[in-house]
Amino acid sequence: GNSVTQMEGPVTLSEEAFLTINCTYTATGYPSLFWYVQYPGEGLQLLLKATKADDKGSNKGFEATYRKETTSFHLEKGSVQVSDSAVYFCALSEGGNQFYFGTGTSLTVIP
Amino acid sequence: KAGVTQTPRYLIKTRGQQVTLSCSPISGHRSVSWYQQTPGQGLQFLFEYFSETQRNKGNFPGRFSGRQFSNSRSEMNVSTLELGDSALYLCASSSRASTTDTQYFGPGTRLTVL
Repeated sequence: GNSVTQMEGPVTLSEEAFLTINCTYTATGYPSLFWYVQYPGEGLQLLLKATKADDKGSNKGFEATYRKETTSFHLEKGSVQVSDSAVYFCALSEGGNQFYFGTGTSLTVIP
Repeated sequence: KAGVTQTPRYLIKTRGQQVTLSCSPISGHRSVSWYQQTPGQGLQFLFEYFSETQRNKGNFPGRFSGRQFSNSRSEMNVSTLELGDSALYLCASSSRASTTDTQYFGPGTRLTVL
């Protein structure tokens, strides 16, 4: 079956530090991969996505590359800001509109 | 374009009662999915409706049900509430035009069962 595994949090970083949040997946076919972000008290917002192997999704300084050989979609950002503090969810969809989410990784950035 | 809206934003009920939550998708989107989010279980898929038909269903008891109207608005109903139903209920819409569609989420309804 389909599943997503994210690194456990919480993650605490100083401003301008490098961020990596690991995400690996299991899928029966060729899924699309997504990163969503949830700020306190809000719903999930799409951060970036990739729809096929070797695609790189990017947005707001965040990047993730779809690696089929390692079944991974790690999220990275070169220099985090306090405003990046949120919970980050990795997700996959194989079509049929059913999404499978990881458990979320809480990020806190301190000044 | 207006985003996904959910009403009410907050709800307090007691055990045994029933509750109805509402979701209005982005204009033009015909697919609405519902998720339950709890600290212990994370995001769990409840069901998806497309053009008034339930297309996918997660692993939840029959107390959880939903429907979709011809204008794509969707409602979710939970009967005989239990304490464990306390959660943030998220609705997401998409156009479902392709297999790479993105889901757009509403702010959620926070349900507290006492």
